[in-house]
Amino acid sequence: GDSVTQMEGPVTLSEEAFLTINCTYTATGYPSLFWYVQYPGEGLQLLLKATKADDKGSNKGFEATYRKETTSFHLEKGSVQVSDSAVYFCALSDRGDDKIIFGKGTRLHILP
Amino acid sequence: EPEVTQTPSHQVTQMGQEVILRCVPISNHLYFYWYRQILGQKVEFLVSFYNNEISEKSEIFDDQFSVERPDGSNFTLKIRSTKLEDSAMYFCASSEVGRGGTEAFFGQGTRLTVV
Repeated sequence: GDSVTQMEGPVTLSEEAFLTINCTYTATGYPSLFWYVQYPGEGLQLLLKATKADDKGSNKGFEATYRKETTSFHLEKGSVQVSDSAVYFCALSDRGDDKIIFGKGTRLHILP
Repeated sequence: EPEVTQTPSHQVTQMGQEVILRCVPISNHLYFYWYRQILGQKVEFLVSFYNNEISEKSEIFDDQFSVERPDGSNFTLKIRSTKLEDSAMYFCASSEVGRGGTEAFFGQGTRLTVV
């Protein structure tokens, strides 16, 4: 079945550091890809998405590019802030499917 | 900004008891979902609901679980006889369109603790 694998956390970085969180997927169809973020004490929020190969999703300085050839959707940010501390979930939704399949989540700590 | 709201934020219940988790989806959305996240594990799909019926469900969603839209605004998840392993964070979500067509908006979750 479809699945998402993302790097284990926690990831601890200093403020203004470069961030990469790796995500790869397996899917039988042609999925849409997402990054969700969960700030402390809050629900899941959609951070960005991409619906076809080579699309780049971006929001709040975060970016991820849909790479069909490597089945990847890595999350990047050039300069992280303390306020980016959260849990980040890579996810997919196959076309024709209602459900979203999530990775295990990566906890990110940003130190001032 | 419209949001999905869930109540209660935390519920403690005794094993074997029935529990109802409540959600108010975004008003113009037509598709509704429940997910759960056992502590330290991934977020898992339970069920999707459209046009007053279940459109898809996972293996987790067995006969102990049921969903209902009792009125025009609420969407509920009922667990008939809770087990210790039902302890988890339960997330409600809604979307305008199903089948991956639009993004799903999630609530803040209800933490269910079965003792």
